Amino acid sequence: AQSVTQLGSHVSVSEGALVLLRCNYSSSVPPYLFWYVQYPNQGLQLLLKYTTGATLVKGINGFEAEFKKSETSFHLTKPTAHMSDAAEYFCAVGGYGNSGGSNYKLTFGKGTLLTVNP
Amino acid sequence: GAVVSQHPSWVICKSGTSVKIECRSLDFQATTMFWYRQFPKQSLMLMATSNEGSKATYEQGVEKDKFLINHASLTLSTLTVTSAHPEDSSFYICSARDWRDYEQYFGPGTRLTVT
Repeated sequence: AQSVTQLGSHVSVSEGALVLLRCNYSSSVPPYLFWYVQYPNQGLQLLLKYTTGATLVKGINGFEAEFKKSETSFHLTKPTAHMSDAAEYFCAVGGYGNSGGSNYKLTFGKGTLLTVNP
Repeated sequence: GAVVSQHPSWVICKSGTSVKIECRSLDFQATTMFWYRQFPKQSLMLMATSNEGSKATYEQGVEKDKFLINHASLTLSTLTVTSAHPEDSSFYICSARDWRDYEQYFGPGTRLTVT
C-alpha cells in the first residue's frame, strides 16, 4: 500500500525567497519518489525523482529534494523563487497497486499551489 | 526527451454521444500507458492502466463499460468515453511508461466538456 500527503494546499512566497513544499509518503517497500509541476491546463512535467543512491536529488529549474527515510519525507526546495515558478506541484510515490498484480503505478498527493508574489 | 501527445486537446460533445481521446508516445515505445482524470483544483485520479495487447486494468469505482481503453500498439492508447454525460466533463491526462525505466511521461491533457 502506498500514499502521499502534501502538507499545505497553498503556499505563498515572495520573489527571491526560499521555496519549501512538504511531502510525506507511506510505502510498504522502498519507494520511488517524484515531484511534478503542472501549469494551468497542461499536463505534468517531471521536476526530479528519487529511485536509489544519493538521497539529495537535484532537478530542473533549480529545484532539489531530499529523501529522508527516517522521516518518510521528500520535501521540495528551491533557494530563490521566481515568478515563473508559480504553478501546482504534485508529489508522487511509485509502486505496485494496492490490488497487487504486475502493474506499477504512481500515487499522487493532492497537490500544492505555489504562488509567488512580486 | 520523451514526448507524449494527446488528441484532441479539447472537445465539446453533446450528452449521450461518445468521444475518443488518443494518447501517443512519439519517440519511445510504451508497454504501459495510464489514464488519469483530474477535476478542477484537484489531484490526478488514476482511472486505468493499459498494457499493450492486453485488457486494461481499471481502478476500483471506474466503469469499464463507460470508459473503454484500447492499447493496440506500443505507441498508441485510446480512451473512449461512451454515452457521455455532463458529470463526465473533466480534464483527462494520459501518461506512458518508457519500457527502459520507471519514469512516466505525461501528455498535455484533454479537456472534455459534455453539454
